[in-house]
Amino acid sequence: SQKIEQNSEALNIQEGKTATLTCNYTNYSPAYLQWYRQDPGRGPVFLLLIRENEKEKRKERLKVTFDTTLKQSLFHITASQPADSATYLCALVSDSSYKLIFGSGTRLLVRP
Amino acid sequence: SAVISQKPSRDICQRGTSLTIQCQVDSQVTMMFWYRQQPGQSLTLIATANQGSEATYESGFVIDKFPISRPNLTFSTLTVSNMSPEDSSIYLCSVVGTSYEQYFGPGTRLTVT
Repeated sequence: SQKIEQNSEALNIQEGKTATLTCNYTNYSPAYLQWYRQDPGRGPVFLLLIRENEKEKRKERLKVTFDTTLKQSLFHITASQPADSATYLCALVSDSSYKLIFGSGTRLLVRP
Repeated sequence: SAVISQKPSRDICQRGTSLTIQCQVDSQVTMMFWYRQQPGQSLTLIATANQGSEATYESGFVIDKFPISRPNLTFSTLTVSNMSPEDSSIYLCSVVGTSYEQYFGPGTRLTVT
């Protein structure tokens, strides 16, 4: 069956450290994968998109990797700050329809 | 980027009634999506709403329960019909940006009693 899996347990890290979140998928061949941030009571906010032929994408303190052999994407936040505390969702598109299929999300808590 | 608003932001409804949620975008967009996010869960796509055609529903969602209108390129409505407590969720609309990213509205929090 098709699955997108993210760590269900919250990731708790110290301010200034690098947070690494994992997204694994099975039985998909995504054309691209996206990461979103969601704060309580709000809609998701787009962060980064990485295509199947790209290994890595960066934006300021954010970095995403995409390994289609391992069927995994890693999302890194360097020099993390308490304001980075939120739920992070990975989502993939498996065809040309633009429809997003979301993982369950990982909650990140950054301690001051 | 697109700015999206939704009305109402929240509502408490009685079992058996219907609620219509509005989604307004600040620019013209072809594709619009409606998602549901049940408590503590991730987002599940309900349907794709394209202007000028019938909405396309995902497995497990039917038009009689979730009728959708898309009268123009900046507006859509989702109706949750004959509600039950299991319909208590956050309902979100989204649009596709120029690079395949999606922009989401703030959501409508629905509680059915």
